[in-house]
Amino acid sequence: DAGITQSPRYKITETGRQVTLMCHQTWSHSYMFWYRQDLGHGLRLIYYSAAADITDKGEVPDGYVVSRSKTENFPLTLESATRSQTSVYFCASSGSHSPGATNEKLFFGSGTQLSVL
Amino acid sequence: QKEVEQDPGPLSVPEGAIVSLNCTYSNSAFQYFMWYRQYSRKGPELLMYTYSSGNKEDGRFTAQVDKSSKYISLFIRDSQPSDSATYLCASGLNTDKLIFGTGTRLQVFP
Repeated sequence: DAGITQSPRYKITETGRQVTLMCHQTWSHSYMFWYRQDLGHGLRLIYYSAAADITDKGEVPDGYVVSRSKTENFPLTLESATRSQTSVYFCASSGSHSPGATNEKLFFGSGTQLSVL
Repeated sequence: QKEVEQDPGPLSVPEGAIVSLNCTYSNSAFQYFMWYRQYSRKGPELLMYTYSSGNKEDGRFTAQVDKSSKYISLFIRDSQPSDSATYLCASGLNTDKLIFGTGTRLQVFP
C-alpha cells in the first residue's frame, strides 16, 4: 500500500546499543521529519530533511543521527541508546513547507515504540 | 515556557455535547495553525488548519484563531464516541518546525 511506513513497530534494546528506526514513504514527498512523543512533552521534532542529502536539526537532536540518501527513506539512528530515549517515535512527510500550498499537510506513520532498558 | 501550551485534560463529555479544546501560543510571528487528531496507538492525522484569524468550519468541527490574544480553539459539535482521541494543536512559521502542544485527551461516552 502507498503511504508512510515505519519499522519496527516495537523495539526493546539495552543502554549503549546502536538502534536504527526505519521510515519509508511512497509519495515522493520532499520533506521528511522525525518526532518523539513523550507524556508531558507532546511531539518534539528531532530532525527533518527538505530533500535528499539535506538534513537539519530540530528541537531535540542530541544522541540521534539521520541520513537521507534517497528521497523515500529517512532512517533515524540512536548511536548509543540511553534510557531517556525511551519514547514513541513518529516519522512524517509532506510535499511542501509553504503556507497555502495544497500539499503542505504532514502525514504521519504509525510510530515505533522504543524501550531502552 | 513552551511556545505552544495546551491543557492535557482528560476531558470527558456525554455524546451530543459541544466540546471546546484550547491552546495558546507565544510567538506572534506564527502564521500556521493546525489541529491533529490522534487515536490510541496511531500516528496523528491532520484535522483542520488555518493561516489567519477567524473561524474555519468543516462539518462538526470549527477551528478558531485569535491572533491578538494568541489563542487557538477547536470546537466539536454533536460529539460522538468516535471523536474519543487525543487532540493536538500545532503552530509555527511553516511545517519545517511545527511546535505541537502536549495534546488533550477527549473521551465521549454514550
